[in-house]
Amino acid sequence: GAVVSQHPSWVICKSGTSVKIECRSLDFQATTMFWYRQFPKQSLMLMATSNEGSKATYEQGVEKDKFLINHASLTLSTLTVTSAHPEDSSFYICSADKRGGYNEQFFGPGTRLTVL
Amino acid sequence: RKEVEQDPGPFNVPEGATVAFNCTYSNSASQSFFWYRQDCRKEPKLLMSVYSSGNEDGRFTAQLNRASQYISLLIRDSKLSDSATYLCVVNPGAGSYQLTFGKGTKLSVIP
Repeated sequence: GAVVSQHPSWVICKSGTSVKIECRSLDFQATTMFWYRQFPKQSLMLMATSNEGSKATYEQGVEKDKFLINHASLTLSTLTVTSAHPEDSSFYICSADKRGGYNEQFFGPGTRLTVL
Repeated sequence: RKEVEQDPGPFNVPEGATVAFNCTYSNSASQSFFWYRQDCRKEPKLLMSVYSSGNEDGRFTAQLNRASQYISLLIRDSKLSDSATYLCVVNPGAGSYQLTFGKGTKLSVIP
């Protein structure tokens, strides 16, 4: 199998607070994980590529100081949304790359963030 | 030209129908191809990888035409549970593990 978990599944927070989202690959090691954001009725947008033991690579327009990514082990990557604002409300999804095959990516169940 | 292009639909088909989705990609060096399905407010789930020789998994058949840079997905004997958005996904290769997503094609299977 290829199971990816994500926690929390949803969070509601006040503007200005920071929110941490965890992404874990449960039955395989993931050298690379990806963080996406999806707004309603829009397609997935890649935010950053998280590499174990090194700095994340951010897509153009994504603020690295606002979206902190840490990939400290082969099974865990975290995304911290710092000083969240209402416009950060979105569906955040992580995926993990399962190497050795066709490079399929397997997605976590997502985290729905609502910033009041 | 968009990197991965799909007809957004919606495709409204009756149960038991056969439906086909098409997708084109712009990067001729792309290495890997996939179809994912995404249910409303859920994460994408891998439906099938698409190999050069084409592949079939039960009611689902995927085909790749590298010359035309074209991928297809055929669903036979549609079930109500097939209702979802189908995402055409491409890995650009060149050492990258990133995926490029199409905007998806929405399918509604009607009783």
